Amino acid sequence: KAGVTQTPRYLIKTRGQQVTLSCSPISGHRSVSWYQQTPGQGLQFLFEYFSETQRNKGNFPGRFSGRQFSNSRSEMNVSTLELGDSALYLCASSAGTVENTEAFFGQGTRLTVV
Amino acid sequence: GESVGLHLPTLSVQEGDNSIINCAYSNSASDYFIWYKQESGKGPQFIIDIRSNMDKRQGQRVTVLLNKTVKHLSLQIAATQPGDSAVYFCAERGTYKYIFGTGTRLKVLA
Repeated sequence: KAGVTQTPRYLIKTRGQQVTLSCSPISGHRSVSWYQQTPGQGLQFLFEYFSETQRNKGNFPGRFSGRQFSNSRSEMNVSTLELGDSALYLCASSAGTVENTEAFFGQGTRLTVV
Repeated sequence: GESVGLHLPTLSVQEGDNSIINCAYSNSASDYFIWYKQESGKGPQFIIDIRSNMDKRQGQRVTVLLNKTVKHLSLQIAATQPGDSAVYFCAERGTYKYIFGTGTRLKVLA
């Protein structure tokens, strides 16, 4: 079956703009998590959604937001972009239950803020 | 605070040798751990996982060892190949999230 799909793969935005990234999880998976990866901070947790509800949120400013749709696809939005938001944004998909929590990642979206 | 750390940022091994990548975690209540491999330009790829009720788990050429007494996790790769060159992360399950270590870069020398 198809893996986790993230679009777009690459983005270049200007400071102050906003951006929306998309993630389609593995079919049947109801949990989608987002992570920011930078050389200096490594993989940092942004938020997790399960059945359209946010269950956990990391320590990021309110400019970072997300949502999940009824088909489990998820989007994350970053408003008022800053240079420091340049990173690889990764989406992880899992069944999201206690018994089955294996998380599988997409290729990521490389965001560059100039 | 929460942290999952790696002892060595870079590990160089000869092709054909065994590799051992180490990881320390801080939450003694953690019940599930995953090792990921990340190649340049790609997302992390699931390698192997282990639950806290196990000490060892084997996959194809990989073995994960869990020592709960000292909160230590290791990934052993047998007969390391050039295709194993990548950054390896351990991850600890938290509440609806994973906590990642900083990563170890594995370089395979010909």
